[in-house]
Amino acid sequence: AQSVAQPEDQVNVAEGNPLTVKCTYSVSGNPYLFWYVQYPNRGLQFLLKYITGDNLVKGSYGFEAEFNKSQTSFHLKKPSALVSDSALYFCAVRDTDTGGFKTIFGAGTRLFVKA
Amino acid sequence: DTEVTQTPKHLVMGMTNKKSLKCEQHMGHRAMYWYKQKAKKPPELMFVYSYEKLSINESVPSRFSPECPNSSLLNLHLHALQPEDSALYLCASSQETGNYGYTFGSGTRLTVV
Repeated sequence: AQSVAQPEDQVNVAEGNPLTVKCTYSVSGNPYLFWYVQYPNRGLQFLLKYITGDNLVKGSYGFEAEFNKSQTSFHLKKPSALVSDSALYFCAVRDTDTGGFKTIFGAGTRLFVKA
Repeated sequence: DTEVTQTPKHLVMGMTNKKSLKCEQHMGHRAMYWYKQKAKKPPELMFVYSYEKLSINESVPSRFSPECPNSSLLNLHLHALQPEDSALYLCASSQETGNYGYTFGSGTRLTVV
């Protein structure tokens, strides 16, 4: 079965500093990986995905993610954090065991960016 | 139109009530989903519709009944819910199932009293 793990419940970073939100995955076959962000009392917003190709994927709002096959990781990064980036971030994997019908979400990491 | 619209935004219902949640998208997406999210937890998949046919039911209790009247609409009919069913119910859509990102609605905050 496919799964993702987000080892940090919370990440704190100062505004202007680089941020990293970690995600590791376990899949059988090729991984199809996603990052979503959720602001309070809102639905999730799609940030970026990795399907194939370049290991560095660029997404919305200046975020990028690095796919590392040997470490089975897909960490979310941003060179310079903004206070407005404070939110809940979910890593997700497409469950290819069910023909891609399901997306499995990690537990989430809360990001706090301090001014 | 690049949105998924969910109504109502908030709903309070008694355990004997019948209510429905609605979800609408006009992006031409052919896959639609219902998720349930408890506070500070990840979304949990409930149902998947692909081309207006129910593809996945994640062993959801029968007091939740999904319906997909057409490719733009998705309903979730609620009957005889329990207080533990109180949660944020999220609708999402994607171009198709497979390697596409989801567009989520803002959700319906449901409270069962």
